[in-house]
Amino acid sequence: DIQMTQSPSSLSASVGDRVTISCRASQSISNYLNWYQHKPGRGPKLLIYAASFLQSGVPSRFSGSGSGTDFTLTISSLQPEDFASYYCQQSYTTPWTFGQGTKVEVK
Amino acid sequence: EVQLVESGGGLVQPGGSLRLSCAASGFTFSSYWMTWVRQPPGKGLEWVANINQDGSEKYYVDSVKGRFTISRDNARNSLYLQMNSLRAEDTAVYYCATEAIWGSYRYLAYWGQGTLATVPS
Repeated sequence: DIQMTQSPSSLSASVGDRVTISCRASQSISNYLNWYQHKPGRGPKLLIYAASFLQSGVPSRFSGSGSGTDFTLTISSLQPEDFASYYCQQSYTTPWTFGQGTKVEVK
Repeated sequence: EVQLVESGGGLVQPGGSLRLSCAASGFTFSSYWMTWVRQPPGKGLEWVANINQDGSEKYYVDSVKGRFTISRDNARNSLYLQMNSLRAEDTAVYYCATEAIWGSYRYLAYWGQGTLATVPS
């Protein structure tokens, strides 16, 4: 199975900060990489698909980049509603696997 | 508006069974692959199983193979997960999700709010 490793596991940030989350795959997955936002009590929400394509309705402050084994999710200016957990997920091959998550907390 | 509503979770003893359901609305259910994903308490997300549009293709994570069965009823716009021989490590919130396909790319476009299955140790 392909292992997905995110860093950091958690971070503290303030509104307006630029936030970067990394995701590394244990083997090359081209750009078969998706990002999700997850808030307690809700289902996850798709943010980015195919590494860099913004899902319809998602604010443009979210962006994704990378290919092969190294990927990045960037929030250009953190907003109050962005405090949540974020997960990367590979769709290169089954079983699809997720990173362990990154929790973005209030500083 | 796409809606996915899971139900059927609860407390079950080790070795017991549960059948989860996911009621879909707001889209043409029979046109989409569907997926179950779970989240154990305090842990991350784990893909469990998926099924193609007519139910002829099914895939599972190794840890549930032979114990869980994914199925669907397109006439009822419903997805199911039959969980047998349950273990404490199956305790999780279970989410259903629609798979979107864009060329060769696949992603989980819409998710339900989840249903909790608890298997005490």
